[in-house]
Amino acid sequence: DTGVSQDPRHKITKRGQNVTFRCDPISEHNRLYWYRQTLGQGPEFLTYFQNEAQLEKSRLLSDRFSAERPKGSFSTLEIQRTEQGDSAMYLCASSSTRDRGVDYGYTFGSGTRLTVV
Amino acid sequence: AQKVTQAQTEISVVEKEDVTLDCVYETRDTTYYLFWYKQPPSGELVFLIRRNSFDEQNEISGRYSWNFQKSTSSFNFTITASQVVDSAVYFCALSEKRGDTGRRALTFGSGTRLQVQP
Repeated sequence: DTGVSQDPRHKITKRGQNVTFRCDPISEHNRLYWYRQTLGQGPEFLTYFQNEAQLEKSRLLSDRFSAERPKGSFSTLEIQRTEQGDSAMYLCASSSTRDRGVDYGYTFGSGTRLTVV
Repeated sequence: AQKVTQAQTEISVVEKEDVTLDCVYETRDTTYYLFWYKQPPSGELVFLIRRNSFDEQNEISGRYSWNFQKSTSSFNFTITASQVVDSAVYFCALSEKRGDTGRRALTFGSGTRLQVQP
């Protein structure tokens, strides 16, 4: 297993277009997270899956954003009608739960850098 | 709400100097985890250390050491004999239990950019 993979690494799109990013977590990890990182800031939480269930969404996730994890493995994050303010690095992370449901740390992917022009 | 403050926006040192990165956190929870991540120019967040709120023992790993002080809500990170390869943005993060799902959200500080000059 080579870690968390994200595709594409870079995406340039015109304002108003839809974009979709993919995340492949570490295979034995049942928890998957999406974060957004803007320039000069730390990552901010967007949403979280445990297996295929999306259990939490941040207020940052407007109705133009949707995320899925259909079979509890890879996940997609779609942004509809992109705006310039959506330009950011989108990071995916995964983790596993062991005894007592305690996370033992997060592994992040390299991210997808979105530029909306 | 939980909060992580990294007051140092950017630090520049000369190779072989020691450097300490500060992290101060706020939380109402009694059980939480603290992390340090490194983000090199490639963009990937690299996990460095995790410390739980019940373990205040300081830790040393090679040139890295961490000083956790619950009384001052600080979790500082020191690099001894810095090297050019240490140049990166370093993030401190706090994780506490949120909601019925039991999942732990990570709240990150804004990061400290470390430049190590040869």
